[in-house]
Amino acid sequence: KNQVEQSPQSLIILEGKNCTLQCNYTVSPFSNLRWYKQDTGRGPVSLTIMTFSENTKSNGRYTATLDADTKQSSLHITASQLSDSASYICVVRSYAGNNRKLIWGLGTSLGVNP
Amino acid sequence: DTEVTQTPKHLVMGMTNKKSLKCEQHMGHRAMYWYKQKAKKPPELMFVYSYEKLSINESVPSRFSPECPNSSLLNLHLHALQPEDSALYLCASSQGQGQSNQPQHFGDGTRLSIL
Repeated sequence: KNQVEQSPQSLIILEGKNCTLQCNYTVSPFSNLRWYKQDTGRGPVSLTIMTFSENTKSNGRYTATLDADTKQSSLHITASQLSDSASYICVVRSYAGNNRKLIWGLGTSLGVNP
Repeated sequence: DTEVTQTPKHLVMGMTNKKSLKCEQHMGHRAMYWYKQKAKKPPELMFVYSYEKLSINESVPSRFSPECPNSSLLNLHLHALQPEDSALYLCASSQGQGQSNQPQHFGDGTRLSIL
């Protein structure tokens, strides 16, 4: 069964600290893996998209890694800011013929406190 | 501000009402999507339009009726909704449904409450 699991479910850190969010997936066949940030009451915003051959990709203070062999990804946030408080959702795209699906994780809720 | 604009931001309607949600993008994207999102859950895909034609309907009840008048606009017509339909309705667009490495751009959604 195609699944995307994220950990931790929630996390609270102090402003300025770093953190790492985890994503494990069992999706096959694999096309790409995406990380989205969703602020409360807003739509998701794309942070990174990684294909099978990409091990790491950065977007400002956000760095995503992908290990396609172990089917694991992480999102590292450096020098956190109050505005980083949001839900971070890992999404894996599967592609089999004409059937293209996005399989969404449940997200990690991140709170950054001053 | 997002590049995908949704109106209205909030909507309260009775179960017998008819209303429409609207979505607009001017990025030249040819794929547009409707999602439903319940609290603390990920978005669930409802419909996909590709080049103004409906390409995916994820077995959505007929009380939800999508329409794509042109490549920039996407509507969702609502009729005889149930209380469990209360949710955040998100519109998204991407360059093309088949372009797998392009992100979907989301609007900020319409918060729908059914009385």
